[in-house]
Amino acid sequence: ETGVTQSPTHLIKTRGQQVTLRCSSQSGHNTVSWYQQALGQGPQFIFQYYREEENGRGNFPPRFSGLQFPNYSSELNVNALELDDSALYLCASSLGRANTGELFFGEGSRLTVL
Amino acid sequence: GIQVEQSPPDLILQEGANSTLRCNFSDSVNNLQWFHQNPWGQLINLFYIPSGTKQNGRLSATTVATERYSLLYISSSQTTDSGVYFCAVGPYNQGGKLIFGQGTELSVKP
Repeated sequence: ETGVTQSPTHLIKTRGQQVTLRCSSQSGHNTVSWYQQALGQGPQFIFQYYREEENGRGNFPPRFSGLQFPNYSSELNVNALELDDSALYLCASSLGRANTGELFFGEGSRLTVL
Repeated sequence: GIQVEQSPPDLILQEGANSTLRCNFSDSVNNLQWFHQNPWGQLINLFYIPSGTKQNGRLSATTVATERYSLLYISSSQTTDSGVYFCAVGPYNQGGKLIFGQGTELSVKP
């Protein structure tokens, strides 16, 4: 158990819809990162939030957006869903804004877009 | 950007065998982690090892940062070791980003 929890675990949406995924970080951690993992691939960095501010973003379009709350939990929002957005979305928590700390992952939210 | 290559891509072992997984990276990094992804998708931390050698039970890892590679050793493999093993590195000056390799899929047969 990493202490990182994600919800929902599975969901199905249709093209054009919007989705919100949620993540609670490990106790004591102030940084949350989101990753997208397509089938058969390694996870790809979407963005990171440190103390409620975005601290780095990967190569994802603006329809991928996020929030971090004062309790350091986080949301990932994806608008105008496309078929290629079908993937496992992983949240990781860590301590500090740099990438030198150890990351701990949740169990993921598996999104299917029809 | 930095490239991360893992080898071999697939590995089939008989229970009790030993194995070595390799991770090569193309530039200096300030973070390196090894993960095991279970069949349900969760990434389990194995080692946080930007340099040096660590051991945890049947698993050990070595990172030679100056030569830009890391090795994960699995001894006396068990069926529960099956799954995908990922190496992830953190480039300098790129905020909180980790870059993952494509993984090594390990299957341990009884």
